[in-house]
Amino acid sequence: KAGVTQTPRYLIKTRGQQVTLSCSPISGHRSVSWYQQTPGQGLQFLFEYFSETQRNKGNFPGRFSGRQFSNSRSEMNVSTLELGDSALYLCASSLLGGTYEQYFGPGTRLTVT
Amino acid sequence: GIQVEQSPPDLILQEGANSTLRCNFSDSVNNLQWFHQNPWGQLINLFYIPSGTKQNGRLSATTVATERYSLLYISSSQTTDSGVYFCAGVTGNQFYFGTGTSLTVIP
Repeated sequence: KAGVTQTPRYLIKTRGQQVTLSCSPISGHRSVSWYQQTPGQGLQFLFEYFSETQRNKGNFPGRFSGRQFSNSRSEMNVSTLELGDSALYLCASSLLGGTYEQYFGPGTRLTVT
Repeated sequence: GIQVEQSPPDLILQEGANSTLRCNFSDSVNNLQWFHQNPWGQLINLFYIPSGTKQNGRLSATTVATERYSLLYISSSQTTDSGVYFCAGVTGNQFYFGTGTSLTVIP
């Protein structure tokens, strides 16, 4: 069974631009969660999508948004990029979310200049 | 949210040595996982262990849910074990990560 895939793997953007990251979960998994990892803040939860609905949201500004499609693939969007948005963005796939085991993709490394 | 504390924050071992990593939670969690983050950033699943003990080769883990902690044991460490180890738990449908233990195994 194929693992979680994320595209692109690396991205360089300029302040003020917007970016869209994509995540394809493991086949059959319906929950996709997004996390931001920075050296200063560690791994922080952004949001979780289940059956095309946002089920949980972390403490991030509204510039961070996401969506999930009927095939469970998910995208996250960051608008008006700031230097502090430079981070590794990880997505995790889970059968049903919650207490079920989570599997992570390789991440997208975003650099904002 | 809950606080997840990992200790030690950094660990340097000689190849072949054993080690124990600890993860403490400030409140009960419904799911607990251990991960190894490789140098490229990917989180590799080690254990899904809400309670009890599991073993996988040289690695084993124990979670005592009633006391809100988990332990990861690495025996006969190898240089490929180097990296950052994270524990994470779920409460309220949200996954909370620890601060990580950075392990360096030297030959």
